[in-house]
Amino acid sequence: GQQLNQSPQSMFIQEGEDVSMNCTSSSIFNTWLWYKQDPGEGPVLLIALYKAGELTSNGRLTAQFGITRKDSFLNISASIPSDVGIYFCAGQVTGRRALTFGSGTRLQVQP
Amino acid sequence: EAGVVQSPRYKIIEKKQPVAFWCNPISGHNTLYWYRQNLGQGPELLIRYENEEAVDDSQLPKDRFSAERLKGVDSTLKIQPAELGDSAVYLCASSLRQGLNTEAFFGQGTRLTVV
Repeated sequence: GQQLNQSPQSMFIQEGEDVSMNCTSSSIFNTWLWYKQDPGEGPVLLIALYKAGELTSNGRLTAQFGITRKDSFLNISASIPSDVGIYFCAGQVTGRRALTFGSGTRLQVQP
Repeated sequence: EAGVVQSPRYKIIEKKQPVAFWCNPISGHNTLYWYRQNLGQGPELLIRYENEEAVDDSQLPKDRFSAERLKGVDSTLKIQPAELGDSAVYLCASSLRQGLNTEAFFGQGTRLTVV
């Protein structure tokens, strides 16, 4: 099946720093979604992208749908302690409505 | 608006015992998913329903797993008998089938521990 390579696996940053993480695939995706998961909770949708080249922001978060349709990145600006968690990319390929998830990027923010 | 509701939140059972999970999706969402999330990994699809019909169950281990979505609303996922390797978080999600929209909203999950 489709595989998503998400990097980095983990990040430890200082409060106020910017963060960037990305997802790549060997398959073409029609949709890219970014989720955040806190311990003991389900993933929460942050941003959805539907068009190649699309750049979308949600507060301090910005995500882009790669031109090749095989990658996406998520940026977090001016990180704060509550940004701590695991961030997952997820994609949808043609003919399959369900999402394929990456393995996650664990973010830790030092106050 | 209420989100996806799952129960129980936690379940500990002995191997070879049966277990069931319940999910109530967001009102009006016709698509329901069950995902399994192993420790340190992303969720993996087990089954997808469109209304009451299972349309993508290729990843469901059918020898021991079963699911149903009677009346196209609530859903249950059952494991019988459970094995040690079934320990994971079982997530239910729902979405509204509308054009390109594939935004799935997740419940809090059921953490299953098989001992």
